[in-house]
Amino acid sequence: GAVVSQHPSRVICKSGTSVKIECRSLDFQATTMFWYRQFPKQSLMLMATSNEGSKATYEQGVEKDKFLINHASLTLSTLTVTSAHPEDSSFYICSASTHGGYEQYFGPGTRLTVT
Amino acid sequence: QQQVKQSPQSLIVQKGGISIINCAYENTAFDYFPWYQQFPGKGPALLIAIRPDVSEKKEGRFTISFNKSAKQFSLHIMDSQPGDSATYFCAASGGSNYKLTFGKGTLLTVNP
Repeated sequence: GAVVSQHPSRVICKSGTSVKIECRSLDFQATTMFWYRQFPKQSLMLMATSNEGSKATYEQGVEKDKFLINHASLTLSTLTVTSAHPEDSSFYICSASTHGGYEQYFGPGTRLTVT
Repeated sequence: QQQVKQSPQSLIVQKGGISIINCAYENTAFDYFPWYQQFPGKGPALLIAIRPDVSEKKEGRFTISFNKSAKQFSLHIMDSQPGDSATYFCAASGGSNYKLTFGKGTLLTVNP
């Protein structure tokens, strides 16, 4: 149980284009989803927290207009990187948790490369 | 300000040995302490977690030791195997938003 999927697993896009990453909880309802960014050999950096049906809460320093997060249902959240640039290249990971649950279950991650 | 300090940064252990990774936290509001295992190119996987009402939790070869007064917790991997070679992250959470604060990670290498 507690499986989280992400799609795509890898994406290469050209500078200036937008990319959408999907995060799905496959066997449970995710009241809250989190989006992280991870650079090579570094820890996870929380970008934003989203609750189903509400606007996402972004961490300090994360541009909300650049990283659009939508959590439209209890099983799906999307992260759209708008007008991507090479510095946005990174490993993006989502996690999901249930209402009142501390446990976060992570997706397999999406490797974004912007050329 | 890093709220969860993890050490060592890297660790090399022989097969069958004990791997020990330590974490210290500052925020006394933290009340949930998980450990995650991450393989290259994959997302982190929840390994084991503990709440502050117990001092130790064991699941198979993995044990968390928790010292509330010292604000420290550690992961012990008994009988370490080459397949345990991965990066391990400690984390802490507390309060109503359930956000996790991660340590910087420990790269564990278990030599055959």
